[in-house]
Amino acid sequence: GDSVTQMEGPVTLSEEAFLTINCTYTATGYPSLFWYVQYPGEGLQLLLKATKADDKGSNKGFEATYRKETTSFHLEKGSVQVSDSAVYFCALSSMAGGTSYGKLTFGQGTILTVHP
Amino acid sequence: GAGVSQTPSNKVTEKGKYVELRCDPISGHTALYWYRQSLGQGPEFLIYFQGTGAADDSGLPNDRFFAVRPEGSVSTLKIQRTERGDSAVYLCASSQKAGGLFFGPGTRLTVL
Repeated sequence: GDSVTQMEGPVTLSEEAFLTINCTYTATGYPSLFWYVQYPGEGLQLLLKATKADDKGSNKGFEATYRKETTSFHLEKGSVQVSDSAVYFCALSSMAGGTSYGKLTFGQGTILTVHP
Repeated sequence: GAGVSQTPSNKVTEKGKYVELRCDPISGHTALYWYRQSLGQGPEFLIYFQGTGAADDSGLPNDRFFAVRPEGSVSTLKIQRTERGDSAVYLCASSQKAGGLFFGPGTRLTVL
């Protein structure tokens, strides 16, 4: 079945440091890939997405590229801020068999803490 | 509405009791999803509604779990004979066709 594996956390960085959170997946067919973010005290929010190989999703300075050859979707940001402290979830939606677009398989989440 | 709302925000119950968790999706969203998030884990899919019907309930863990959406808007997740292992945050999300999912804040269920 489908699965998503994220790098173990927590990740602690200083402000303006470079961020990478690794994500790899296994899936049937050609999944869509997502990063969701959960800020303290808030619900899950879509951060960015990519729907086909070599697509790059980007938002709020974050980027991730859909790499079919390595089955990866690593999240990157060049300069993190304190306000980026949150839990980040990688997820996929496999449309094999016509399943719903919103039926997502999530990774376990990575806690990011950014210090001033 | 402004967003997906869920009630109650917290629910504490005793083992063996029955609970109902409610979800109000964004107005006009035809698709509604329930997920369960255990501590330190990512959300796990439970059930998906398109309109009033459950289009995919493959994630429901057993027959103690049931969900309804009688008028195609509000949904209720029902858990019978609760067990300590049911303790988790239950998330609801809605979407319009192929748009992104909008998640609610969740209901934290604690079974003592």
